[in-house]
Parts: sequence; structure tokens; C-alpha cells
Amino acid sequence: DGGITQSPKYLFRKEGQNVTLSCEQNLNHDAMYWYRQDPGQGLRLIYYSQIVNDFQKGDIAEGYSVSREKKESFPLTVTSAQKNPTAFYLCATKQGALGFQETQYFGPGTRLLVL
Amino acid sequence: GEDVEQSLFLSVREGDSSVINCTYTDSSSTYLYWYKQEPGAGLQLLTYIFSNMDMKQDQRLTVLLNKKDKHLSLRIADTQTGDSAIYFCAESMTGGGNKLTFGTGTQLKVEL
Repeated sequence: DGGITQSPKYLFRKEGQNVTLSCEQNLNHDAMYWYRQDPGQGLRLIYYSQIVNDFQKGDIAEGYSVSREKKESFPLTVTSAQKNPTAFYLCATKQGALGFQETQYFGPGTRLLVL
Repeated sequence: GEDVEQSLFLSVREGDSSVINCTYTDSSSTYLYWYKQEPGAGLQLLTYIFSNMDMKQDQRLTVLLNKKDKHLSLRIADTQTGDSAIYFCAESMTGGGNKLTFGTGTQLKVEL
């Protein structure tokens, strides 16, 4: 929260459809992250980006894609290849790209539901 | 390897202290964090501790770290109904984008 905006709050996806979740930040943070949260589980990392025009796969990248064309934006696309997309998606940012001591700050999340 | 474990539920009475526990397996962790999540919301950073510290206190919150046993705890003094939430511990790994590895979360319920 506080400078990290995720939209929409709720998103519905039809079978075979790609959907894009937005994450915008005005904190001037270098690094951005996408996590997926399922009930009774911790957060799992989907993708992360340490710098503009660069991103890396996390632990569960299959069925997802990202882009980082601007520092303040890191959209996540859930493709039709993701067979179980229903989850709560959280975006996070971190001030520095390489320093491990800086904490991650989270947005309010987007809940994705499959129709 | 990386594995962070927490108990799923904790119930306390208002005014009592709450202790939420976490164990981790990777001894190379540099920072350990506690986050709070209220229903339908994102994660709020509560506090963190560097791996060379044993204890950190911040108002009602006390974090204890036992590196030998790889055990982290969060104590909330004078627990209030507003403390009801899910609490996640997380460890920060060097390299790999400094990603966080999260525990499964502990649901804290504060009863009157």
C-alpha cells in the first residue's frame, strides 16, 4: 500500500481468455515482484524485475507473462495456459535492485476468479 | 533448501500476549521479516530483524531469533482485536533478485 496501485480489485476470466493485472508504483523503486497467494499457503513468486526492460522467472512462472517497459509499471498477464488461475495476486516493490537489506512493500492485491 | 514453516492458527484473549512462531531451514538467510495481512488486503510490513541480531523490540512487538535452531518468533504484547489477521514470516535470500520465501501464515484470532 501507499504508492503501489493494483487494478482491478476483482477480475473475472473466461475459459481460454488472457487477462492482464496492473501494478503501478510512484515510489521510484527499482525492483518489482509478482506473487500468487492461495488459501492456506504462503506467497509464491511468479516473476520479478530488478530493472527496466529486464525480468526473471520466479518459482511458478508457467502460464504467466510480464513486461517492464517503464520503471513505474509491471503488468502481469495470466494466459490461457495457466490452468488454475483463481488466486489472490500481489505486487511488491523494493527500493534497490541489488541490496538485500531493503524490504519489499506490497500493493492491495487483485483477486482473479474464473467464470 | 528453502522451507519456512508456521502453525496455521492461534487464538488468544484480548489483553494477553500472542507468540507466533516460525522455523526456517536456510542458514544463509540475511533478513527475516514479519508481515501482517488483514482480510482481502495486501501485506503490511510489521518488523524485520537482521540475521546477526538476537532480539528486536518495537513498541508492542518483540522479535526473537535463534539462529542455532533456525527459529523466529513474534510476540505481540497486550493483544487487541485489531491484531486479528494472518501473520507471515519471510526470509530474504541473497542473490536471485533477493526474493522473499514466505511461511504459510498464522491466523491470529483475538477473542473478547
